[in-house]
Order: sequence, then C-alpha cells, then structure tokens
Amino acid sequence: GAVVSQHPSWVICKSGTSVKIECRSLDFQATTMFWYRQFPKQSLMLMATSNEGSKATYEQGVEKDKFLINHASLTLSTLTVTSAHPEDSSFYICSARDGGLENTEAFFGQGTRLTVV
Amino acid sequence: AQSVSQHNHHVILSEAASLELGCNYSYGGTVNLFWYVQYPGQHLQLLLKYFSGDPLVKGIKGFEAEFIKSKFSFNLRKPSVQWSDTAEYFCAVNAGAGTALIFGKGTTLSVSS
Repeated sequence: GAVVSQHPSWVICKSGTSVKIECRSLDFQATTMFWYRQFPKQSLMLMATSNEGSKATYEQGVEKDKFLINHASLTLSTLTVTSAHPEDSSFYICSARDGGLENTEAFFGQGTRLTVV
Repeated sequence: AQSVSQHNHHVILSEAASLELGCNYSYGGTVNLFWYVQYPGQHLQLLLKYFSGDPLVKGIKGFEAEFIKSKFSFNLRKPSVQWSDTAEYFCAVNAGAGTALIFGKGTTLSVSS
C-alpha cells in the first residue's frame, strides 16, 4: 500500500514553545490530508481536514490558532502546535488519501507522540 | 453527524477461539466502512474495507466483516484467533471519497496462548 511518513515519531518540548509535525505522502499525491488526535486508550478524534492550497477545515472545539495546519504541496502537510501546554500532550496522527484513485482508503502515518513538560 | 459505536471495550479470548467484534454506525447516506488494527507501538493498519458489492468482505490475516445495511452494522469476525491478534481494533466510516474517517472508540483484544 501507499506510504505516509510522519516526523518526528516523538517529541518532548517545554511548555510555551511550538512544535511542528510533518506528514508526507511518499509515493502518491494527497489532495486531502487529515489530522487526528488520540488520547491514551481512546479512539482517534478528527482535528481537521487539510486540502492542498487552501485553508484547513477544523472540527468543532479545535482551536485553529493553536493547531496551525499548512498543506502547501500535494505531498506535505504540517501541523504546528503553538504555545504548547501539558494538556496538549497526546498522540497525533495524520492520514492521506491518494486523490487520483477512486474507492481507496486513507493511509496513516505512524503518529507523533508529543509530550509537553 | 456520523457516529460509530463499538460494543465491546475489551475482549479476552484463548487461542483458537472465534471472534466477533460489533460495530454499528449512524448515518443516513451511502457510507464506506473500514476496520483498522493497531498493534502495540505501531501505526494503524487496514484490515478490510467495504465500498460496495458483496457485503461479506474478506481482509488480511483471516479477518472478514459483513455489512448489514438494515442493521447499520459492520461486524468483524475471525474463526480462530491467534496470540498475535492481540491489538486494538477500530471500526471507521466515511461518507465517501475525500471525506474524513470517523472512528469508533476501539476494542482491545487480548488473546492468551
């Protein structure tokens, strides 16, 4: 299947700093990428939908000024957690779908474990 | 809004036992249905998917699922589980190509050898 690479796999940052997470589709063009957040022992919660070249669409309750999403190319989307706080500590997962194919599933990155201290 | 309900939070089985994990969704239109597995420390992997056609879908590792439209269900089954099937299982649905997946809360499967 297609490969989605997420970087970094884990990051520890100080409270108040910003952290950028990258999501790349390695062998296909992703017109749409999705960002999820997963708390321990819980399901994936959709944070936002990112379309190449346009502003991301955020789910209700997700602060767009805190979680900045940029989808500048067909193979890269970034999520920046600004002014991170301990409550932002979580597992962040991106997924991407091959925009050139019908009836295909989205592929997931390996996730980024963010710990804010 | 779409929602996905997984009935079993934690299932404990012995090897060779049969498995069925329930999944119901709430959405009035056409949906695509998925089961993903997440092994400890690893990323999500697709087990199987349903877009259209035969409602009995066969996936990897001996898993299958049946889409019953009248019941809004997409239950996952495996006739004989193995210790290596220990993982978290997620049912997910989307409303069509390009839309986000909505996940159920997940079911933890523990298989003892």
